Amino acid sequence: DIQMTQSPSTLSASVGDRVTITCRASQSISSWLAWYQQKPGKAPKLLIYKASNLESGVPSRFSGSGSGTEFTLTISSLQPDDFATYYCQQYKSYLYTFGQGTKLETK
Amino acid sequence: QVQLQESGPGLVKPSQTLSLTCTVSGGSISSGSYYWHWIRQPAGKGLEWIGRIYTSGTTDYNPSLKSRVTISADTPKNQFSLKLSSVTAADTAVYYCARATVTTAYDYWGQGTLVTVSS
Repeated sequence: DIQMTQSPSTLSASVGDRVTITCRASQSISSWLAWYQQKPGKAPKLLIYKASNLESGVPSRFSGSGSGTEFTLTISSLQPDDFATYYCQQYKSYLYTFGQGTKLETK
Repeated sequence: QVQLQESGPGLVKPSQTLSLTCTVSGGSISSGSYYWHWIRQPAGKGLEWIGRIYTSGTTDYNPSLKSRVTISADTPKNQFSLKLSSVTAADTAVYYCARATVTTAYDYWGQGTLVTVSS
C-alpha cells in the first residue's frame, strides 16, 4: 500500500492567514494526488486534482503543488468558510489511500 | 448534474451482511470512463477505500476487506451495490459512494449513510 502522511494534524489559524498543509507519500505517485475539504456531517468535497489542478467552482485562494512524494495545499487568505478538515488522497495505485486529515481550526 | 444517493439498513447485527445501494442520477454508470467507488469513515476517523467497479464491470477491492466485500452493478436501474459480510462493530461507519475518473479522482459523492453494527 502507498501510505499518505499529512502534517500538521491540527492547524490553528485566523481569517486572512496564509496556511499550508503538507502531504507525503511513502513512494512516488507522480502527480496523482487530490485534496478534499470535509465539514462535519458532510461528504468530502474535491478541491484539487492531479496535484495542482483546481476543481471547477473552487475559489482561487486554494492551490496545490508538488510531485513525486511531497505535496502541499495552500490557502492564500483564510476565509470563515474554510475551517474544516482537509484530506489528501493518492490515486496512482488502484488501492486509493488517504492521509489522516488536517483539522483547520480557529485560533 | 450527477447525483449519488446511498440507501440501505442503518442497523446490522454482528456476523450478518451489510448491504447498501448507490443510485446514480444525471449520468449512466455504464457509459464513460468512470469508476464507481465505496468509501467508509468511522466516527471521528479518516477515510478508508473499500473498493470500486468500472463501467465494464471490473472490480477492485481493498485487500484488507477483500474476503468479505462484493461490489456489483445493476445497469438498468443505474445503481451499484456493496455487500460486506461477517460484519463486526469495527465496520460501524458512514459509508459513501462516489464517482471517480482517472484524472480527477472523486468528483461526485453521495451524502453518506451511517451503518451501525450492533445486536
